[in-house]
Amino acid sequence: QSVLTQPPSVSGAPGQRATISCTGSSSNIGAGYDVHWYQQLPGTAPKLLISANNNRPSGVPDRFSGSKSGASASLAINGLQAEDEADYYCQSYDGSLRGSVFGGGTKLTVL
Amino acid sequence: QVQLVQSGAEVKKPGSSVRVSCKASGGTFSGYPFSWVRQAPGQGLEWMGGIIAVFGPANYAQKFQGRLTITADESTTTAYMELSSLRSDDTAVYYCARGGVYASLLGWFDPWGQGTPVTVSS
Repeated sequence: QSVLTQPPSVSGAPGQRATISCTGSSSNIGAGYDVHWYQQLPGTAPKLLISANNNRPSGVPDRFSGSKSGASASLAINGLQAEDEADYYCQSYDGSLRGSVFGGGTKLTVL
Repeated sequence: QVQLVQSGAEVKKPGSSVRVSCKASGGTFSGYPFSWVRQAPGQGLEWMGGIIAVFGPANYAQKFQGRLTITADESTTTAYMELSSLRSDDTAVYYCARGGVYASLLGWFDPWGQGTPVTVSS
């Protein structure tokens, strides 16, 4: 049972928009801690996609965007491409647990 | 650009210990946090603990308290993770990752090492 809750899977057709939610609580996202997003392609290490809620590292396409509101956050992917098929994870800090926490991960399928 | 290179795959017996290294190159080591994250087969990511070289002792997830030791050697810019009393459910890929915020364990993880598979089997 992950501290942050993500849908197990989402899907969309090429060119469409997909959104992945990440729901936390008053001890993590709701406490004001930042949310970060990672993309993990099969057989590879996770890669930072969004830092501090809505910042894209250099090299990440602007099709990817993040937002945060209250105790939840979202990752949006516009103009879906086949290469976006991957697992996506959200991460934050939990003040009660005194450590980082991850969502359970969401598998994105591009139909 | 910081790069992290981890030690190779390990096969261990139940009850034994494993030590994984993470060599950092191309960037600043001291003052930045290094965390360890594991991923069991077909499962999600799990933060185990982290350390900020120079700034004091490691911080561990409660689940691993007493079984996990994380250290950092500034002289060789290498972080280490040692997990003891291994069980079959410790079978996973273990990743090291550098934190993105100086002197804080609150930030993001970037970059990541390539991962070290650890298999625990009798």
